[in-house]
Amino acid sequence: SQTIHQWPATLVQPVGSPLSLECTVEGTSNPNLYWYRQAAGRGLQLLFYSVGIGQISSEVPQNLSASRPQDRQFILSSKKLLLSDSGFYLCAWSVTTGTHYGYTFGSGTRLTVV
Amino acid sequence: AQSVTQPDIHITVSEGASLELRCNYSYGATPYLFWYVQSPGQGLQLLLKYFSGDTLVQGIKGFEAEFKRSQSSFNLRKPSVHWSDAAEYFCAVGPRRTGANNLFFGTGTRLTVIP
Repeated sequence: SQTIHQWPATLVQPVGSPLSLECTVEGTSNPNLYWYRQAAGRGLQLLFYSVGIGQISSEVPQNLSASRPQDRQFILSSKKLLLSDSGFYLCAWSVTTGTHYGYTFGSGTRLTVV
Repeated sequence: AQSVTQPDIHITVSEGASLELRCNYSYGATPYLFWYVQSPGQGLQLLLKYFSGDTLVQGIKGFEAEFKRSQSSFNLRKPSVHWSDAAEYFCAVGPRRTGANNLFFGTGTRLTVIP
């Protein structure tokens, strides 16, 4: 069966520090991968998605970047965090072909920038 | 353009009462419809989905949803709410065929359950 892992679960970082959040998927090949952010009391904001290794689409230009160095690995990064980067970050995956079964989400990372 | 509207930002119900969360969508073709639940500090979990056939679909945790094409709605219901149902609920719509970045989410409805 397919599983998705996100880490760390919580993170407290000072302003100006770098960020690296990792997401890996098991049990499937060539998934579509997504990074979402939820600010407090807000809905889902799509940040990046990827349809393959090295292929990244950015939905919201900002202080963050994403990379996909391996088929089932998706990394969210920042060189210098801002206070506004605080939020709950979710990784998700979906199948690439065939019937749409929706997205499967990871358990999320709570990022607090201080 | 595709869109999903969840008109209720926050709903409060008493434990044991019935629940209905509203979802309306705008979609150019016959959609696939989904409901997700997010417990505090957790990721989203799929509750149920509608692809075709019977317009009343059953999901996990005793939830059901009814697809009404004429009203472009896919409302979520539960006959008797439990305290553990307190969470955020998201409705989503997508095409029948998968692809990249083609699942559209509503803004969510937060459910509070009072004893």
